[in-house]
Amino acid sequence: DSGVTQTPKHLITATGQRVTLRCSPRSGDLSVYWYQQSLDQGLQFLIQYYNGEERAKGNILERFSAQQFPDLHSELNLSSLELGDSALYFCASSVFGGRDTEAFFGQGTRLTVV
Amino acid sequence: KNEVEQSPQNLTAQEGEFITINCSYSVGISALHWLQQHPGGGIVSLFMLSSGKKKHGRLIATINIQEKHSSLHITASHPRDSAVYICAVKDYGGSQGNLIFGKGTKLSVKP
Repeated sequence: DSGVTQTPKHLITATGQRVTLRCSPRSGDLSVYWYQQSLDQGLQFLIQYYNGEERAKGNILERFSAQQFPDLHSELNLSSLELGDSALYFCASSVFGGRDTEAFFGQGTRLTVV
Repeated sequence: KNEVEQSPQNLTAQEGEFITINCSYSVGISALHWLQQHPGGGIVSLFMLSSGKKKHGRLIATINIQEKHSSLHITASHPRDSAVYICAVKDYGGSQGNLIFGKGTKLSVKP
């Protein structure tokens, strides 16, 4: 158990809908990262938050947004869902946000858009 | 060309065999990660390396910064080692926290 908790584990929703994925980082970790793993693209970095502030942005679509709350949990919001958004979404956390910081991954949320 | 290349893509081994998975990258990096993803989907961080060699149980990871190459070795492989092994790098030019992932190596260890 990495100490990073993601909910829900599975989510099935229809095209055009909006969903929210939640991540609770390890106790004491200030940085949260979101990743998407799809069959065709593999794992891709989406976005990073550090102590409530956006720190880095990767290949995140405009339809997607995220935030990190004062208690350090984070939410990834996906809207106007398309079939191609079906993927595993992972959250990871680390103590700091630096380049050499080890990150611990959650179990992922499997999103299926039908 | 992908910035992180892994080989082989698929690997089948007999229990007890010594296994090597390779990772080559084309960018300057500050750290390299080896990750393990089990069939259930969860990802476990195995190693984070910036130089030299690390060992944890039957797993050994090495990195050669000059050659931009890393290897993950598994000694005395066991069926429970069956998983996808993913190499990921943090490059100096990228944003903090931005990992670049390889496509993964799917390992199957037969009893």
